[in-house]
Amino acid sequence: SQQGEEDPQALSIQEGENATMNCSYKTSINNLQWYRQNSGRGLVHLILIRSNEREKHSGRLRVTLDTSKKSSSLLITASRAADTASYFCATAETSGSRLTFGEGTQLTVNP
Amino acid sequence: GAVVSQHPSRVICKSGTSVKIECRSLDFQATTMFWYRQFPKQSLMLMATSNEGSKATYEQGVEKDKFLINHASLTLSTLTVTSAHPEDSSFYICSAAGTINEQFFGPGTRLTVL
Repeated sequence: SQQGEEDPQALSIQEGENATMNCSYKTSINNLQWYRQNSGRGLVHLILIRSNEREKHSGRLRVTLDTSKKSSSLLITASRAADTASYFCATAETSGSRLTFGEGTQLTVNP
Repeated sequence: GAVVSQHPSRVICKSGTSVKIECRSLDFQATTMFWYRQFPKQSLMLMATSNEGSKATYEQGVEKDKFLINHASLTLSTLTVTSAHPEDSSFYICSAAGTINEQFFGPGTRLTVL
């Protein structure tokens, strides 16, 4: 079952702006991961944050995790048209276990 | 990162036929593979967890007799959709568990049942 809720469901911004996507979950987790999916394609792993971490950076990506609120956010800075895709969060309750995906956010970056 | 392939990438079949989808980990051994289904504009739903050499574990609501999973080796898992119907049309994605915490996803298979 899907435990993750993401908001917004859709986000449209101009190139150069920042995009923030949020994810909430219900159970305790070992880690939370963010993935990107271009239309009709497979998933690309973006970043993993463990339950004992609060913030993580990778290039233009910044992920935060608040386990007390059971929520995470993904920030993409200085967005580009090529960032247009669907973004999903996924949680793992134990290390190496199955992933439960959120509903996803469809990001459109207009050139 | 590690590479996972799926074959075929796209398949169209008639209602009532069976379709086999292969998932291969190309450069690592995967003791566990996962099969997901994704309907248009929706998220991924886990169908089953496949462990090499043992029976797959199916999620609630997924018919094991309809979606046959075989994980015969550490690099290959297959999903067979038996007696496919139009409602089975979907995007099927596999993933393979490599190192702890990380799954590597295949490119997906688009199944269309006429």
